[in-house]
Amino acid sequence: GENVEQHPSTLSVQEGDSAVIKCTYSDSASNYFPWYKQELGKRPQLIIDIRSNVGEKKDQRIAVTLNKTAKHFSLHITETQPEDSAVYFCAASDQTGANNLFFGTGTRLTVIP
Amino acid sequence: DTAVSQTPKYLVTQMGNDKSIKCEQNLGHDTMYWYKQDSKKFLKIMFSYNNKELIINETVPNRFSPKSPDKAHLNLHINSLELGDSAVYFCASSQGQGGYEQYFGPGTRLTVT
Repeated sequence: GENVEQHPSTLSVQEGDSAVIKCTYSDSASNYFPWYKQELGKRPQLIIDIRSNVGEKKDQRIAVTLNKTAKHFSLHITETQPEDSAVYFCAASDQTGANNLFFGTGTRLTVIP
Repeated sequence: DTAVSQTPKYLVTQMGNDKSIKCEQNLGHDTMYWYKQDSKKFLKIMFSYNNKELIINETVPNRFSPKSPDKAHLNLHINSLELGDSAVYFCASSQGQGGYEQYFGPGTRLTVT
């Protein structure tokens, strides 16, 4: 199946700064790349996703970029706030038809007030 | 109005026992999933179930079996529990296959002693 690698595993930024999390994937047939945010003790929740027919997508302070040739995609959070502190997971869909998501290992983001 | 619900929220049991976790979604989705999140927060797909098709991740022991009485439910049965089964188990659902958002349940924390 798909193999997704995610970096860094932990990230600390000052409030107001930007945060960038990077992921690579192995299956060139994958075409759906969501990002999930998981707060402590809570369920993962989708924050943004991108499909392979676009290179960039933005939603307020969050943006995702995709480079299909290099098989990597990134999450960008601008003007970070303390409530952005959480674990972020990237994922890729493996095209088996079941929409199975293969997740990266997670990035624990801490925004320091 | 909960979209994806799981019961129980916590489950503590002894090695060798058999247990079940229930999952229900009221979103009218066609596809349901089970994920395992271990102590390092790694999220891994265990099963996906779409109508009559069950797709099993090859790394899942056959002690784990999903049961779907109808489209809105996908329960997880675990036989002969082992210490290594301790984890948080998340149920999820999506509208269909191929690039749809997955909605996660609140999780069930299983502790095997």
